[in-house]
Amino acid sequence: KAGVTQTPRYLIKTRGQQVTLSCSPISGHRSVSWYQQTPGQGLQFLFEYFSETQRNKGNFPGRFSGRQFSNSRSEMNVSTLELGDSALYLCASSLPGQGARETQYFGPGTRLLVL
Amino acid sequence: GIQVEQSPPDLILQEGANSTLRCNFSDSVNNLQWFHQNPWGQLINLFYIPSGTKQNGRLSATTVATERYSLLYISSSQTTDSGVYFCAVRVLTGNQFYFGTGTSLTVIP
Repeated sequence: KAGVTQTPRYLIKTRGQQVTLSCSPISGHRSVSWYQQTPGQGLQFLFEYFSETQRNKGNFPGRFSGRQFSNSRSEMNVSTLELGDSALYLCASSLPGQGARETQYFGPGTRLLVL
Repeated sequence: GIQVEQSPPDLILQEGANSTLRCNFSDSVNNLQWFHQNPWGQLINLFYIPSGTKQNGRLSATTVATERYSLLYISSSQTTDSGVYFCAVRVLTGNQFYFGTGTSLTVIP
């Protein structure tokens, strides 16, 4: 099975712009979670989508949003970019229905640099 | 929210040495995973271990859920073991995963 894929892998934007990142989960996985990783804050949970519905949300401003499509692919969008949004954005997919045994599998990430 | 702390924050080893990484968490959890993040940023699953002990080659892990900690053992370390090791937990009352602060391991030849 192919792993989790994320596009693009690298991105450079300027302050005030918006950006859309894409994540394709492992075939059969219906849950997609997004994380932001920065040197100062570590790995922080952004949100999780399951069956096209947001199931959980972390403590990020409304500029961060996401969605999930019927084929389980997910996108996240950041509007009005700030310098502090520079980070590695990681997507993870999992197979819900396993209860507490749910295991997350991560993609390679998208490195976003905001100038 | 739950606090997840890892120690030590940094570790430098000679190739062939053994090491123990620790993950402490402040609340009861129903899911705990260990990951290795390689220098390119990819997080690789090592263990799903909410309790008990597991082994996979040179790596093994033990979680004592009642005492709220987990240990990752690396034996006969190799340069390819370098990277950052994270534990991630999910609390009984929630769905999201919380990541620890990480241990940065450097194995020198």
